[in-house]
Amino acid sequence: QVTLKEPGPVLVKPTETLTLTCTVSGFSLSHSRMGMSWIRQPPGKALEWLAHIFSNGEKSYSTSLKSRLTISKDTSKSQVVLTMTNMDPVDSATFYCVRTHKPASGTSYFDYWGQGTLVTVSS
Amino acid sequence: DIQMTQSPSSLSASVGDRVTITCRASQSIRNYLNWYQQKPGKAPNLLIYAASTLQSGVPSRFSGSGSGTDFTLTISSLQPEDFATYSCQQSFSTPWTFGQGTKVEIK
Repeated sequence: QVTLKEPGPVLVKPTETLTLTCTVSGFSLSHSRMGMSWIRQPPGKALEWLAHIFSNGEKSYSTSLKSRLTISKDTSKSQVVLTMTNMDPVDSATFYCVRTHKPASGTSYFDYWGQGTLVTVSS
Repeated sequence: DIQMTQSPSSLSASVGDRVTITCRASQSIRNYLNWYQQKPGKAPNLLIYAASTLQSGVPSRFSGSGSGTDFTLTISSLQPEDFATYSCQQSFSTPWTFGQGTKVEIK
């Protein structure tokens, strides 16, 4: 059974760096058909994809946030980590850790989601 | 970046109604289009991938169609548990992008 476990609510101050760790179980981060993404959602607003790491370690980032984001993984620990620098109150949102299924051909899709971590940016 | 535009942003419907939600991409994305359902306070749930393939466990009253730039999610007979927000998402190219969401409310 696939599970994605994220931390509880997080409070960070403006200009600080956010670090979120997601621990997965039920599959391996080295599986060739699986990758991991982070997606955020401000209260009452749309979903926004942030970053993705493929099974081979290749990474991809949101165009507008690329300079502030780093995604990494530790396959031996089954963990995926997102860091976001220079946090601002407008970055307050629920952050989701999400598994990406990449078939041999065709569309990738987000098939398993963590419960979400509420991140509040406030002094 | 590929822009995804959904319409309408919200709609009111009754149980048993047929509901259609549209998603338009700013360029052709072939069939690289997925649909998600999200209930308040919960993570999104995958409904349909590759424009028309139903995810395992999703009721058959949900269906998807389209290719290129225009896509549709249809609920054939709206049930009480279907009142939620629906979002489309393209995976044709990174950065992957979502539509703004369509909220389906009870009339």
